[in-house]
Amino acid sequence: AQSVAQPEDQVNVAEGNPLTVKCTYSVSGNPYLFWYVQYPNRGLQFLLKYITGDNLVKGSYGFEAEFNKSQTSFHLKKPSALVSDSALYFCAVRALQGGGYQKVTFGTGTKLQVIP
Amino acid sequence: DAGVIQSPRHEVTEMGQEVTLRCKPISGHNSLFWYRQTMMRGLELLIYFNNNVPIDDSGMPEDRFSAKMPNASFSTLKIQPSEPRDSAVYFCASGEGPQGYEQYFGPGTRLTVT
Repeated sequence: AQSVAQPEDQVNVAEGNPLTVKCTYSVSGNPYLFWYVQYPNRGLQFLLKYITGDNLVKGSYGFEAEFNKSQTSFHLKKPSALVSDSALYFCAVRALQGGGYQKVTFGTGTKLQVIP
Repeated sequence: DAGVIQSPRHEVTEMGQEVTLRCKPISGHNSLFWYRQTMMRGLELLIYFNNNVPIDDSGMPEDRFSAKMPNASFSTLKIQPSEPRDSAVYFCASGEGPQGYEQYFGPGTRLTVT
């Protein structure tokens, strides 16, 4: 069975500092990896994805993530955090199941708090 | 594009009543997902449709829950009878293509069962 782990329930970072939100995964076969952000009382918004190719993926709002196959990780990063980045971040993995169905699994979410 | 549309945005009902949540996916998207989000259980996939056909309903909690997608532009999630433990935010999401596509979420329906 596939799974996604976000080991930190909350990450605190000072405004202007770099931020990292961690994600590790477990799948059979090649994974498709995603990051989503959720602001209060809103639905999830897509940030970026890794499908194939360059391990460093750039996405919306200056975020990027690095796919590391050997460590089965897909950590989300940003060089300089903004207060407006404070939100709940979800990592997700999609992998091929039997019959061509690609099941998606979301992590439990990490709350990012950027301190002014 | 208006994005994924969900109605109602808020629903308060009494235990035992029937609840119907509605979703209009983004035009052209052929996959539709229903999720439930609670503090205790996080984000749970309830059911996944592809080309209007249910592909994975393994997340549907029990027979009280049912979902339909009569056409490409409309889906419903019904709870009958509702129970207090069904209180949650229910999200609908849509996506296109079979390989590695991202999902676009609606604003959610906040359901409170008293």
